[in-house]
Amino acid sequence: AQRVTQPEKLLSVFKGAPVELKCNYSYSGSPELFWYVQYSRQRLQLLLRHISRESIKGFTADLNKGETSFHLKKPFAQEEDSAMYYCALRAQGGSEKLVFGKGTKLTVNP
Amino acid sequence: DSGVTQTPKHLITATGQRVTLRCSPRSGDLSVYWYQQSLDQGLQFLIQYYNGEERAKGNILERFSAQQFPDLHSELNLSSLELGDSALYFCASSLVGQPQHFGDGTRLSIL
Repeated sequence: AQRVTQPEKLLSVFKGAPVELKCNYSYSGSPELFWYVQYSRQRLQLLLRHISRESIKGFTADLNKGETSFHLKKPFAQEEDSAMYYCALRAQGGSEKLVFGKGTKLTVNP
Repeated sequence: DSGVTQTPKHLITATGQRVTLRCSPRSGDLSVYWYQQSLDQGLQFLIQYYNGEERAKGNILERFSAQQFPDLHSELNLSSLELGDSALYFCASSLVGQPQHFGDGTRLSIL
């Protein structure tokens, strides 16, 4: 079974502080991991895909297969980063459905 | 703009009724996915269609059904609606092996 865990429902930081949103997954095969962001219950927007290894809006995430984690990091948080962040897993070679974590609501305070 | 279009944006109806949600995928995308987002269950995969055929099924109730038409748009039909069906319903589309792009969602409210 595939499972994604985001242990923090809420995360609050000050502007300019580093931020890390945690994501752990459970899957016996080779997963593909994503981060999506949702502003004010609008459309989910793709933020990062682990195989692309790129940085979007200053965010990065590294897949750690040993720890089964895909934490999202940004060195200096901005107020506009306040949103819901969802980690998602897709099993390679099978159904292309996404399994989402429950999400973390990030608030960046001025 | 992700290119995925969902209509209507909002739906308000009563228990026991039936509604149809519509999704037009991005140009060229053959796969369409439906997800339900509720406060208690989070984002749940419902069903996937690929080029008109059902590809995968998730936690979709028997009261719900979907289809994908030859022009690749998809419809999600919800019947015998219950209060607990109130949620945001998202459609996403993708090319095979590529990330899914989501629409703006349909907010369904059951009174």
